[in-house]
Amino acid sequence: AQSVSQHNHHVILSEAASLELGCNYSYGGTVNLFWYVQYPGQHLQLLLKYFSGDPLVKGIKGFEAEFIKSKFSFNLRKPSVQWSDTAEYFCAVNNAGKIIFGKGTRLHILP
Amino acid sequence: SAVISQKPSRDICQRGTSLTIQCQVDSQVTMMFWYRQQPGQSLTLIATANQGSEATYESGFVIDKFPISRPNLTFSTLTVSNMSPEDSSIYLCSVYGTGVNTGELFFGEGSRLTVL
Repeated sequence: AQSVSQHNHHVILSEAASLELGCNYSYGGTVNLFWYVQYPGQHLQLLLKYFSGDPLVKGIKGFEAEFIKSKFSFNLRKPSVQWSDTAEYFCAVNNAGKIIFGKGTRLHILP
Repeated sequence: SAVISQKPSRDICQRGTSLTIQCQVDSQVTMMFWYRQQPGQSLTLIATANQGSEATYESGFVIDKFPISRPNLTFSTLTVSNMSPEDSSIYLCSVYGTGVNTGELFFGEGSRLTVL
């Protein structure tokens, strides 16, 4: 079955640590890829997206993600996290007009 | 971008009752999507609502349980019928952006349902 897998369910880091959250998808063909973030008590908002072109995508708040087609991956990175990055992060794939979400990674940053 | 308003923002319901959630968008859109986010879980697509046609339901969701209306290009409703505690979730309406936001989903703040 088609799916989006996020490897880390819960990540705890100290401020200034580097972050990488894994995402793999199982769809073939052309896909559009997204990372969404949900801060505590807020609604989902887009961090970044990949449609085509440069596989290294830069988003808001210093986040970036790299699309590696051969690995069906779209990992999210940030070189130095802040306490305010505490949130839940969702990888998502648009395939055939529907956006399917991974199970999410809950990130907790220690001050 | 798109601004999406949902009502109610939250409700507490009794088992066996039904509740209708309204979604209003500030622009005309072809497709509207209804998602469910159960406690501690990710978002699951319930159905896609197109104006002027029947909604398309995802596997595991049926029209009798989640009837959807789409009377015009800016409005949709989702009804959760004959509720049970397992239906306690956040229900989210979403639409695609346009222009520079094409292909990106925008979400309402959700409707948090608790079924007793």
